This record gives sequence, C-alpha cells and structure tokens, in this order.
Amino acid sequence: DSGVTQTPKHLITATGQRVTLRCSPRSGDLSVYWYQQSLDQGLQFLIQYYNGEERAKGNILERFSAQQFPDLHSELNLSSLELGDSALYFCASSPPQGGAEKLFFGSGTQLSVL
Amino acid sequence: QKEVEQDPGPLSVPEGAIVSLNCTYSNSAFQYFMWYRQYSRKGPELLMYTYSSGNKEDGRFTAQVDKSSKYISLFIRDSQPSDSATYLCAMIATSGTYKYIFGTGTRLKVLA
Repeated sequence: DSGVTQTPKHLITATGQRVTLRCSPRSGDLSVYWYQQSLDQGLQFLIQYYNGEERAKGNILERFSAQQFPDLHSELNLSSLELGDSALYFCASSPPQGGAEKLFFGSGTQLSVL
Repeated sequence: QKEVEQDPGPLSVPEGAIVSLNCTYSNSAFQYFMWYRQYSRKGPELLMYTYSSGNKEDGRFTAQVDKSSKYISLFIRDSQPSDSATYLCAMIATSGTYKYIFGTGTRLKVLA
C-alpha cells in the first residue's frame, strides 16, 4: 500500500457528462501529480500541485481542471466527456524535500465513457 | 518523436534469466532517471532512481545511465515469475520547464 488514496476505483458515465476524481496524498507529502494512462499513450502527465499551488502543467485538456485543497487532498474534474477520455487516471504524491524523484502512486480510477 | 522511447515488448524470458530493459531519450535537460514496476491494473511502484551517469545496484536490480548516449538500462538478475510486470522508465527535467516524463513501458513475462 503506497499510502495514496484514490476514489472512486471505477467510474462509468456517458459522453457529455462531468465527473470528479479524488486523491489523498501520503501523510506529509505536499505534492500531488495527476496522470492519465491509456493503452496507446502510456502514462501522460496532466498537472502537478504543491501545497495548494499549481506547479507544472502537462498535456491537460481545457475540459479538465484540478485543484488542491488546504488539507492537501486534490480533485481532478473532467467535463464534456468524450469516448477518448476513457482511461486509468492515477494520482501520485512525493516527499516535500529531496524526494521529488520518488512518486508514490495510488491504485487509480478506471474511467469508462460510454 | 517522443522525448522518451521504450520498446513495448512483450519480452518473455525463462526463470533465472538476466533481463535487460532499455530506454533512450532526446532531451539533454533530463537529470534524474527512474525505473518503475507496474503490475496489471495497479499503480506504478518506484524500483530505483539515479541522478548521474554510472551504475546503481539494489539486490537483483541494477540501473545504468549513460548520459553521453542518452541511454538508460535496468538489469534484473535471476528473474522470477513474480517479476512479470510492465517496467516503465521515467525522467525528470529540472532546467527550463519542469517535466516528469514516463516511457510507455515494456511488458515482461518470466516463465516458470
């Protein structure tokens, strides 16, 4: 168990809908990362937050947004869902100092858009 | 061209074999190099990380980085069926735009 908690584990929804994925980082970790994993694209970096502030942005669509709350949990919001958004979404956290290279991943949320 | 290239496999080897997994990269700004293991439907798990060129050993695993060739490797000695998983290389660029990039992963199957 990595200590990173993601909910829900599975999500089935329809095109055009909006969903929220939730992540709680390991105790003491200030950074949260979101990744999307699909069979043909591998792990794609979406966005990183550090102590509530956006730190880095990757290939995140405008339909997607995220935030990190004062208690350090994070939410990834996906809207106007399309079939191609079906993927595994992972959250990861890293230690606050000298450990940015060590990502601890949650078990992921499997999103299916029908 | 992707910044990080990794052969997707699958790679099948008999139990006890030495496994060699590799990644190449194109961005000279990558400074940290990691290997993750991912079992089916699970989150990736960090195996090893290195900062500089050279070798780093941890039990049956050896990570090798050659910055001059932009090439990294992971060797697994005495491979076991429990090593069957997807192995992802990852790299961090800290100069310019911060990036934590993963390879697409190599599927490994160790046959008993």
